[in-house]
Amino acid sequence: TQLLEQSPQFLSIQEGENLTVYCNSSSVFSSLQWYRQEPGEGPVLLVTVVTGGEVKKLKRLTFQFGDARKDSSLHITAAQPGDTGLYLCAGGDAGNNRKLIWGLGTSLAVNP
Amino acid sequence: EAGVAQSPRYKIIEKRQSVAFWCNPISGHATLYWYQQILGQGPKLLIQFQNNGVVDDSQLPKDRFSAERLKGVDSTLKIQPAKLEDSAVYLCASSLDVGSSYEQYFGPGTRLTVT
Repeated sequence: TQLLEQSPQFLSIQEGENLTVYCNSSSVFSSLQWYRQEPGEGPVLLVTVVTGGEVKKLKRLTFQFGDARKDSSLHITAAQPGDTGLYLCAGGDAGNNRKLIWGLGTSLAVNP
Repeated sequence: EAGVAQSPRYKIIEKRQSVAFWCNPISGHATLYWYQQILGQGPKLLIQFQNNGVVDDSQLPKDRFSAERLKGVDSTLKIQPAKLEDSAVYLCASSLDVGSSYEQYFGPGTRLTVT
């Protein structure tokens, strides 16, 4: 059974601080996606990484896919209250009917 | 481009009652997913359709849950009879069957409370 472990599960920080969220697995994925979900809404796709070692930046967010395509990290620089939400990673399994394997999420609260 | 539509947004029912949720995916998206999400956790896949065929329903509690996508477009998910532990958000998502990115687009979800 494929699993994606996210850490930390909860994170509460002050505005302006930096943070990193990790997504780890023993399985290889064909792609890795990060979503953000705000209360009362569905998850919204932030980024997709597909190449081992790939780094993508989205304003203050930096996403990295591990060289072996088994892990990923999300780094937020100078967090803002608007970054508050549930961050979810999801791995794509090329051999499994386009099914995504989901992490349990990291709940981030950025306090003003 | 219109996003994934879901209705209702909220539903409160008593245990043992039945309930149905509706989803209309993004136009042209062949694959449709229903997820169950407990507060603060990641989504759990209930059923995946490709066009009007079921691809994966291994985690669907078939004694009480059913889903259909008769014309390969919109879909309904039904619970009958509901239990207290069914209280959750039910998310619908859709995706294009193109490439290897597996990107899914979600609706706002239906928050179900079973009392």
